[in-house]
Amino acid sequence: DAMVIQNPRYQVTQFGKPVTLSCSQTLNHNVMYWYQQKSSQAPKLLFHYYDKDFNNEADTPDNFQSRRPNTSFCFLDIRSPGLGDAAMYLCATSRDQSGGYEQYFGPGTRLTVT
Amino acid sequence: LAKTTQPISMDSYEGQEVNITCSHNNIATNDYITWYQQFPSQGPRFIIQGYKTKVTNEVASLFIPADRKSSTLSLPRVSLSDTAVYYCLVEGGSYIPTFGRGTSLIVHP
Repeated sequence: DAMVIQNPRYQVTQFGKPVTLSCSQTLNHNVMYWYQQKSSQAPKLLFHYYDKDFNNEADTPDNFQSRRPNTSFCFLDIRSPGLGDAAMYLCATSRDQSGGYEQYFGPGTRLTVT
Repeated sequence: LAKTTQPISMDSYEGQEVNITCSHNNIATNDYITWYQQFPSQGPRFIIQGYKTKVTNEVASLFIPADRKSSTLSLPRVSLSDTAVYYCLVEGGSYIPTFGRGTSLIVHP
């Protein structure tokens, strides 16, 4: 089945140690999103790609970076994780960024910072 | 950037119909209204999407009045497994999909 895959499902990193989360999709969608969701809060958009065009949300910390080497894969890099970065990170895709196209979400990666 | 407002929580009982209303007063012409369901420790899951009037699929109905400033998600005959958080999003023309606080639905036996 076509889907959005996130690896790993659970990630533990140390304070200040760089970490990379990965997302892949078999849907061949143009748009890929990264969201951060903290406990009991709504998902917060960090950035998204339309094809290779990168769009960073204004309040996304510089500590967060992203790469999309091809249509199928997208990575979230956290350069120096702090305790406040512990959260669920959600990857999503959509066929296009115009109206009428829903988002397909992966299962998420839960990041713990020790 | 279309902001959405929903009730924070709702309670219901098995077998009842549940209606969750979302207001989006500054929705733009090209925007669509999309509802997602999220269970704990899972990614949100698409439920239904609409532009105007009424949309129905196998799990829900979506009612959108002519002015499109609100929408109502209707879940017929809920079961315990419908206990989840439901998010209303405005997506498309104004872009930048922004999740509101969502509605936590608890279905009681």
